[in-house]
Amino acid sequence: EVQLVQSGAEVKKPGESLKISCKGSGYSFTSYWIGWVRQMPGKGLEWMGIIYPGDSDTRYSPSFQGQVTISADKSISTAYLQWSSLKASDTAMYYCVRVVGATANYFDYWGQGTLVTVSS
Amino acid sequence: QSALTQPRSVSGSPGQSVTISCTGTSSDVGGYNYVSWYQQHPGKAPKLMIYDVSKRPSGVPDRFSGSKSGNTASLTISGLQAEDEADYYCCSYAGSYPLYVFGTGTKVTVL
Repeated sequence: EVQLVQSGAEVKKPGESLKISCKGSGYSFTSYWIGWVRQMPGKGLEWMGIIYPGDSDTRYSPSFQGQVTISADKSISTAYLQWSSLKASDTAMYYCVRVVGATANYFDYWGQGTLVTVSS
Repeated sequence: QSALTQPRSVSGSPGQSVTISCTGTSSDVGGYNYVSWYQQHPGKAPKLMIYDVSKRPSGVPDRFSGSKSGNTASLTISGLQAEDEADYYCCSYAGSYPLYVFGTGTKVTVL
């Protein structure tokens, strides 16, 4: 059974750093792109970026380029999303997704989400 | 690239059909047969309902169907049931950055 299990909720202060994780199981982790999707409170879904764990090829949405870093450790089948200096506007639910399709064009499995709250 | 445009809300009685539109451009919806739809219940992660415009993953009821004409894709829910009450998002592959564009989301209410 394919599963994406994310790390738990985080409460941080502005300016702090953070790294959240997404562990894949039930499939070949290195053979599928993993993506991250943001959902701000009461708002819609936004694509942030994707990584191919097999070779760490990473693509970012222009809206998030330079704001976050996506990485993966294939030895433990885990992808990461990190911030070096959080802002209040980073408060959101973050989902990891498995990306599939002929051109990696849709998201078939979603993690349960990690709620990040940034408040002073 | 802007978010794809969806109606804010649609509603219907049990057993009726509802259709949600998703309007983009020739750079996303109109340019590729790669529109997907996701259902999100309150407090839950989204779930894939339709991919490649009209294909249903295993386990998704055949009450859900997708189509596309030009720059507009549509999701139709036939025989509406209480458990279909949720938010629905379309998403299109865009080929160039941003690679994926989501819709604004539609709340489906079962009256």
